[in-house]
Amino acid sequence: DAKTTQPPSMDCAEGRAANLPCNHSTISGNEYVYWYRQIHSQGPQYIIHGLKNNETNEMASLIITEDRKSSTLILPHATLRDTAVYYCIGETSGSRLTFGEGTQLTVNP
Amino acid sequence: KAGVTQTPRYLIKTRGQQVTLSCSPISGHRSVSWYQQTPGQGLQFLFEYFSETQRNKGNFPGRFSGRQFSNSRSEMNVSTLELGDSALYLCASSWGWGATNTEAFFGQGTRLTVV
Repeated sequence: DAKTTQPPSMDCAEGRAANLPCNHSTISGNEYVYWYRQIHSQGPQYIIHGLKNNETNEMASLIITEDRKSSTLILPHATLRDTAVYYCIGETSGSRLTFGEGTQLTVNP
Repeated sequence: KAGVTQTPRYLIKTRGQQVTLSCSPISGHRSVSWYQQTPGQGLQFLFEYFSETQRNKGNFPGRFSGRQFSNSRSEMNVSTLELGDSALYLCASSWGWGATNTEAFFGQGTRLTVV
């Protein structure tokens, strides 16, 4: 399993872009990087995942460095409802997800 | 389509009792995983089932067990409850087992309190 490192907390102003970094220097060539978030007391919510190319969906964009040792999740226009713990996960065996401590993102009005 | 459904949402049990939690995956999903979340240990993987077979198991004592039925619904059981078993138990469903490039969808969880 790829070990990931994230800052414990970040703040962002409402309406601005939130850029959440993740280091995954031990990730292997065929392991995907997944991002989930968890709003207080709810189940984690899938956001996006990628292998080597940048990805974008309706929720966010994922930028993966060329060496794949780090990535950045971008929420283009953060809202108060984006306040949550964000988890960056290197793919594990089967459907098993190994969650770290994640980043507590607080969006301020 | 309906999401992952976990029942019950809240549960209070006494030490020494046993408990069974239920999870109905998204229609068409055949893989169900269970996680335990506590303030001290965070989100930890319990086990995963696919086609009624346990495919993967986390580092939990044998008091934690599970099963999956032919309709992909899953149950987990905790016997001889301890205070430390108080946690949010989360179920996640995904399309297949061992498949890369596939996301998991989580239920809202069952909040278990052991007194």
